[in-house]
Amino acid sequence: SAVISQKPSRDICQRGTSLTIQCQVDSQVTMMFWYRQQPGQSLTLIATANQGSEATYESGFVIDKFPISRPNLTFSTLTVSNMSPEDSSIYLCSVDGQAFFGQGTRLTVV
Amino acid sequence: QKEVEQNSGPLSVPEGAIASLNCTYSDRGSQSFFWYRQYSGKSPELIMSIYSNGDKEDGRFTAQLNKASQYVSLLIRDSQPSDSATYLCAVRPHDYKLSFGAGTTVTVRA
Repeated sequence: SAVISQKPSRDICQRGTSLTIQCQVDSQVTMMFWYRQQPGQSLTLIATANQGSEATYESGFVIDKFPISRPNLTFSTLTVSNMSPEDSSIYLCSVDGQAFFGQGTRLTVV
Repeated sequence: QKEVEQNSGPLSVPEGAIASLNCTYSDRGSQSFFWYRQYSGKSPELIMSIYSNGDKEDGRFTAQLNKASQYVSLLIRDSQPSDSATYLCAVRPHDYKLSFGAGTTVTVRA
């Protein structure tokens, strides 16, 4: 199975700024998924990132707020833009065919 | 109706007892079912996957699946204090996205 690595593992950011989270996989995969887990909540899918095409966003998530890049078959980034305290969450990436996640990125917005 | 529903917690069990967690899902075409354990502030850890009706055992964990009833459960035998965590049920319908339940928090009393 693929090994999924995320960076950074945690960050504390000022409101109004942006943070880019990286997800690296040790093998080529077709789809990569970005999830958010707000405090005390379950996981919610933000978007599906496909190489060579625009990401597909779930209801309630928009590209301007969460732009995603997928430059190749092993890498993706998620940017959380113009952050507010409500964006404080754990952000997780996973890949198609796999049911597990990387270590996640714990974001706190102050 | 939520796609995946779990029995509400928190669930408190004495050490050595069996913890029973339940999950129902709405998409009858779902093919893959997963249980995750999540410690506070950490990424969800996959502990069980099940794809066919019946029971699947792995150490102290047993997953049970009944597709006709759209029901999946997790039993934790000989519960230990280290089992205290939130347990997430996830279902993968016909596409590759995972749908998560809200989670059940388990506390094992020493």
